[in-house]
Amino acid sequence: AQTVTQSQPEMSVQEAETVTLSCTYDTSENNYYLFWYKQPPSRQMILVIRQEAYKQQNATENRFSVNFQKAAKSFSLKISDSQLGDTAMYFCAFMKHSGGGADGLTFGKGTHLIIQP
Amino acid sequence: DSGVTQTPKHLITATGQRVTLRCSPRSGDLSVYWYQQSLDQGLQFLIQYYNGEERAKGNILERFSAQQFPDLHSELNLSSLELGDSALYFCASSPRGPSGNTIYFGEGSWLTVV
Repeated sequence: AQTVTQSQPEMSVQEAETVTLSCTYDTSENNYYLFWYKQPPSRQMILVIRQEAYKQQNATENRFSVNFQKAAKSFSLKISDSQLGDTAMYFCAFMKHSGGGADGLTFGKGTHLIIQP
Repeated sequence: DSGVTQTPKHLITATGQRVTLRCSPRSGDLSVYWYQQSLDQGLQFLIQYYNGEERAKGNILERFSAQQFPDLHSELNLSSLELGDSALYFCASSPRGPSGNTIYFGEGSWLTVV
């Protein structure tokens, strides 16, 4: 079974600063996917970024980027030029590659990120 | 808007009752997932269906059941409800093929058991 650990229950930064959220995972799988999802106060789950384990290049989506360290089983999320709208719960998630399609996600417990004006 | 539609958005019911949550996946998506988010248990995977067949089972209670219909919509049935079943229930879907490794979530159904 897979486990995902987010060691920072809450973080607070000033607007326009850069912040990094940590995530580690444990798996015996070699092929898998990692995700960061954002859950704002509306409680909707919004996909932020995705990383395929077989890709060495770190994924980037505008102000969001990841630092994927496969050997260390680490998958951190960096948010640059943080904005008030980035205030939300952030969940790290793992999904094993099942070949025929997607499989269930295993989530961490989340990090509550607060962007201060 | 993810394209995944869930109804109802909010539901209040009494202990011992039975409810049905409904989900319409994104157009063309064959996989449907159900997740439960509660304060004490976090986000938990309940069950997955792929093109009408059960594909994977997570921490789903025996009092809960689900199905996916030929038109690919899905229903989650929760019976003999207990106070602890109060939670946000998400439906999610994913496409087939090379993009079939990203899961898109609906807005959730809030269930309150009183």
